[in-house]
Amino acid sequence: DVKVTQSSRYLVKRTGEKVFLECVQDMDHENMFWYRQDPGLGLRLIYFSYDVKMKEKGDIPEGYSVSREKKERFSLILESASTNQTSMYLCASSLVSYEQYFGPGTRLTVT
Amino acid sequence: EDKVVQSPLSLVVHEGDTVTLNCSYEVTNFRSLLWYKQEKKAPTFLFMLTSSGIEKKSGRLSSILDKKELFSILNITATQTGDSAVYLCSPSGGSNYKLTFGKGTLLTVNP
Repeated sequence: DVKVTQSSRYLVKRTGEKVFLECVQDMDHENMFWYRQDPGLGLRLIYFSYDVKMKEKGDIPEGYSVSREKKERFSLILESASTNQTSMYLCASSLVSYEQYFGPGTRLTVT
Repeated sequence: EDKVVQSPLSLVVHEGDTVTLNCSYEVTNFRSLLWYKQEKKAPTFLFMLTSSGIEKKSGRLSSILDKKELFSILNITATQTGDSAVYLCSPSGGSNYKLTFGKGTLLTVNP
């Protein structure tokens, strides 16, 4: 069974803090993705990576950066958290097919 | 820009009813369309469709793709309360395994 884990289920941070969200997958998948999910807006892609040290912007990359130093780990970084980044963050991974496996999500609240 | 429209946005039915969920899409260099089910946590994979007219079935769920008319439907027969979830449609295009998600259909099945 593919397992995608995320470092925290719930996180509360203050405006201006630097925030790290980590995602680890155990199936040697090349592709990894970060989404945010908001009511009425659905799942929106922030960044994705198709190889170590490779990254591509998704639909809403502003205010975020990512890091992929090892194949199994993909980190999402909020350089200076803002209240409009309060959201559910979902990480996913996939092999060469398009089927993505999702982690349990991190509910981030920025106050 | 890739587009995905799911309808209806929400649906309330009674146990035993049959439901049809719709997904229309516009995606550059379409490759496949995926359906996911999302309960309280992360989306879980249901189907991947790549060919027109070939129905995929899994128990009471089935799905079909029409690449000419650019839509897909997901049918659930003899619904149960455990089918209550958000159903997400996601076409993929291009070469980078990126998925575009619709806003989802919220299905509520009442006993």
